[in-house]
Amino acid sequence: NAGVTQTPKFRVLKTGQSMTLLCAQDMNHEYMYWYRQDPGMGLRLIHYSVGEGTTAKGEVPDGYNVSRLKKQNFLLGLESAAPSQTSVYFCASSTLAVTQTYEQYFGPGTRLTVT
Amino acid sequence: RKEVEQDPGPFNVPEGATVAFNCTYSNSASQSFFWYRQDCRKEPKLLMSVYSSGNEDGRFTAQLNRASQYISLLIRDSKLSDSATYLCVVNGLTGGFKTIFGAGTRLFVKA
Repeated sequence: NAGVTQTPKFRVLKTGQSMTLLCAQDMNHEYMYWYRQDPGMGLRLIHYSVGEGTTAKGEVPDGYNVSRLKKQNFLLGLESAAPSQTSVYFCASSTLAVTQTYEQYFGPGTRLTVT
Repeated sequence: RKEVEQDPGPFNVPEGATVAFNCTYSNSASQSFFWYRQDCRKEPKLLMSVYSSGNEDGRFTAQLNRASQYISLLIRDSKLSDSATYLCVVNGLTGGFKTIFGAGTRLFVKA
C-alpha cells in the first residue's frame, strides 16, 4: 500500500520557470491538500480539494494553481517560480468526515529551490 | 498573534525523563485537535488525537483545556527514538474548512 506519493522529490528551478508537482493517493480519500513548510512557520495550506473536480484556496494560494481531474491525483502548478517559493511542499489526503475528526496522511515531500 | 502557538524549544532531556509541551490556539470555535510527530526531513505523521476528557496512548498523554484554549502533550519515560518535532494541529470550520499547524516543538532525548 503506497499511501500518498509525490513526484519529484527534489527540484531546482530558475526564477520565471514553471513546473508541476504531482501527488497521488491510493486510499480513495475525498480530501486532498497542498502545504508548504518553511523554517519557523509550520505547515501552511496552499490549496485543497474536497472531491474530484473541485478545488479551493487555502492560506497562501498566490502564485500557485491546482487541479483535481481524478480523485486519486492532485496537481500543484507554479506558473512563474520566484525565490520566495523555495520551500518543502507536502501533499496530504484524508477521508471525508462530517465531524472533522480525521487524520491527514502526508506524502514524503518535495524540496524545491528557486534560484 | 499566531492562531496556533508552540514553544519552539529545543527541549533537551535525558532518557527516562518526563517532558511536557503546550500549545495555545486563538479560535474558540476550533473543533478538533491533534498532535503530529515529524522526524528530521520527513513528513508529519499523526501521533494522537486530543479529546476533551484527555486521552492516553502508552507513554503519551494528551489534554485539552477549552476554557483556556490550550492543549498539552506529556511524554513519560522518554526514549532516544522520541527525538523529533511535535506539531500541534487545530481544526475548525469558521469561514469554511480550516486546519492550522503550529510551527512545532523540537525534542532531543539524549543517552
